[in-house]
Amino acid sequence: RKEVEQDPGPFNVPEGATVAFNCTYSNSASQSFFWYRQDCRKEPKLLMSVYSSGNEDGRFTAQLNRASQYISLLIRDSKLSDSATYLCVVSPLRGSQGNLIFGKGTKLSVKP
Amino acid sequence: DAGVTQSPTHLIKTRGQQVTLRCSPKSGHDTVSWYQQALGQGPQFIFQYYEEEERQRGNFPDRFSGHQFPNYSSELNVNALLLGDSALYLCASLPKNPLSGSLTDTQYFGPGTRLTVL
Repeated sequence: RKEVEQDPGPFNVPEGATVAFNCTYSNSASQSFFWYRQDCRKEPKLLMSVYSSGNEDGRFTAQLNRASQYISLLIRDSKLSDSATYLCVVSPLRGSQGNLIFGKGTKLSVKP
Repeated sequence: DAGVTQSPTHLIKTRGQQVTLRCSPKSGHDTVSWYQQALGQGPQFIFQYYEEEERQRGNFPDRFSGHQFPNYSSELNVNALLLGDSALYLCASLPKNPLSGSLTDTQYFGPGTRLTVL
């Protein structure tokens, strides 16, 4: 079983749509959770950290369910600029001190 | 404030050759991690350097080695290149005192070096 699993997509959605990505992780001792965004042929960039209480940043909402070892990302009112690959990331240590374990990524394409 | 920088941006090598990639961390960061990202995959952790020593290592063979200099910059060396080493190599830096473990600490990635092995 892969350490971090994501649906690779692609998700093709119209502008203004709401889209949700899910991710599962295998190591129950994982401490920190993130969503990164990666544009084509660019480096990954942190989108948001994910906390058990859930967190929201504008149109983006992330949720963590430790019992089910499940992480989600919801994007509301999709923009063309949201088109990218979204990487689910888990770390065995607090913050991101150690090795980050990445999923393969979910590709999102937002169409006009 | 300069972010993480890497050089070169692109590199073409042939099988069996050796390669050295370079990384300068973000200002104020003293820890450097290296990742390999093959096409269509997420980045995979190679190793991490702190205080000029390798402190963690992922599941990569000894052909992959590294170094960190007193100014915190780092090199990744790969010997005896294989076709499968073709990938984007990413360097990421972390703030000082990573063991403080703030949940808001994050790794900042450089633009990467795209290595093609022919």
